[in-house]
Amino acid sequence: GESVGLHLPTLSVQEGDNSIINCAYSNSASDYFIWYKQESGKGPQFIIDIRSNMDKRQGQRVTVLLNKTVKHLSLQIAATQPGDSAVYFCAERTSGSRLTFGEGTQLTVNP
Amino acid sequence: ETGVTQSPTHLIKTRGQQVTLRCSSQSGHNTVSWYQQALGQGPQFIFQYYREEENGRGNFPPRFSGLQFPNYSSELNVNALELDDSALYLCASRGQGALAGELFFGEGSRLTVL
Repeated sequence: GESVGLHLPTLSVQEGDNSIINCAYSNSASDYFIWYKQESGKGPQFIIDIRSNMDKRQGQRVTVLLNKTVKHLSLQIAATQPGDSAVYFCAERTSGSRLTFGEGTQLTVNP
Repeated sequence: ETGVTQSPTHLIKTRGQQVTLRCSSQSGHNTVSWYQQALGQGPQFIFQYYREEENGRGNFPPRFSGLQFPNYSSELNVNALELDDSALYLCASRGQGALAGELFFGEGSRLTVL
């Protein structure tokens, strides 16, 4: 069935390093992908999105890469800060406005 | 912060009971979605409402139902609660013309079913 999964459940980095969080998706018909950040006790927060007709999109300190050939999505965070510690979810639009979320990666930033 | 508020924040019910969770969205956000998030997992789409009508539903049984009101508030109702219904229930809204992913999430209602 349709699914979005992550390669690694946890990622630990040093403050100032770059972080890369990966995501694999299985629905080749998905046309829109989003990354969310969820801090403890809060709801998911939109970070960045990308349409399937693009392979890269940059935001402030974040970059999303999309490789449709291997159905892979990644989120790069530059100069990771302690405030970036959270669970990161990728999500894909499977139909209409329905989003399918992956299981999340816990990012821990060590000072 | 997101303009989406949910109540109650925590509640405990017993199996077989019914529960109503409430959400208040930002003014002008006429699309609201509800998600179920089990511990350690990503949110799962329950359903979506647009202008007070359901216009999308995930793989949840009919005992999960909802309502959306003209004042940008909405409800999630769950009947005949089961132990597996224990989860964080998230409400998310977006404005007219916004992309599907530009959702504003509330902080959720944590439901425990005993």
